[in-house]
Amino acid sequence: AQTVTQSQPEMSVQEAETVTLSCTYDTSENNYYLFWYKQPPSRQMILVIRQEAYKQQNATENRFSVNFQKAAKSFSLKISDSQLGDTAMYFCAFMRQGAQKLVFGQGTRLTINP
Amino acid sequence: DAEITQSPRHKITETGRQVTLACHQTWNHNNMFWYRQDLGHGLRLIHYSYGVQDTNKGEVSDGYSVSRSNTEDLPLTLESAASSQTSVYFCASKAGGTGELFFGEGSRLTVL
Repeated sequence: AQTVTQSQPEMSVQEAETVTLSCTYDTSENNYYLFWYKQPPSRQMILVIRQEAYKQQNATENRFSVNFQKAAKSFSLKISDSQLGDTAMYFCAFMRQGAQKLVFGQGTRLTINP
Repeated sequence: DAEITQSPRHKITETGRQVTLACHQTWNHNNMFWYRQDLGHGLRLIHYSYGVQDTNKGEVSDGYSVSRSNTEDLPLTLESAASSQTSVYFCASKAGGTGELFFGEGSRLTVL
């Protein structure tokens, strides 16, 4: 069974700083997808970014980018020029190719301070 | 706009009572999921369905059941609520392939 581990329960940075959230996963699969979801205080889950394992290029979405290290089974999220609205819980998730269900990590609570 | 809705958003119940959380989606997605969110555990999969009449157990299915009689709905039933089932419950749906997983707004359940 796949497992996803987020080793940082909480993080806090100043506005405009860059912050990196860590995620590691365990799988014997070669083809899969990785995701980062954001959950602000409103509780709504929002997809931030996704990465296909077969792609070597790291995904980027505006201020959000990932560092995907397939051999190390590592999938970190970098937020550049952090904003107050980035304050949220962030979840890393894994989905095996051909499956539909996602496996989530424990989450990292990120606080952006003014 | 298509959406996924959960009801009730908040519920307080007593130990031993049966509780049903409703989930309705208008995306016409075949795949629907129920997760529970607890501090330190993230989101854990309770049950899921890949289509009408199809249901499958997730990693924390004990004490829960689901049924899928149509594409739009996947109600989650707690047969005999326990205090350990106090949690926030999220319903989600997705299209096949690598489609995005869409979440409802969550239902906070308190079992006293």
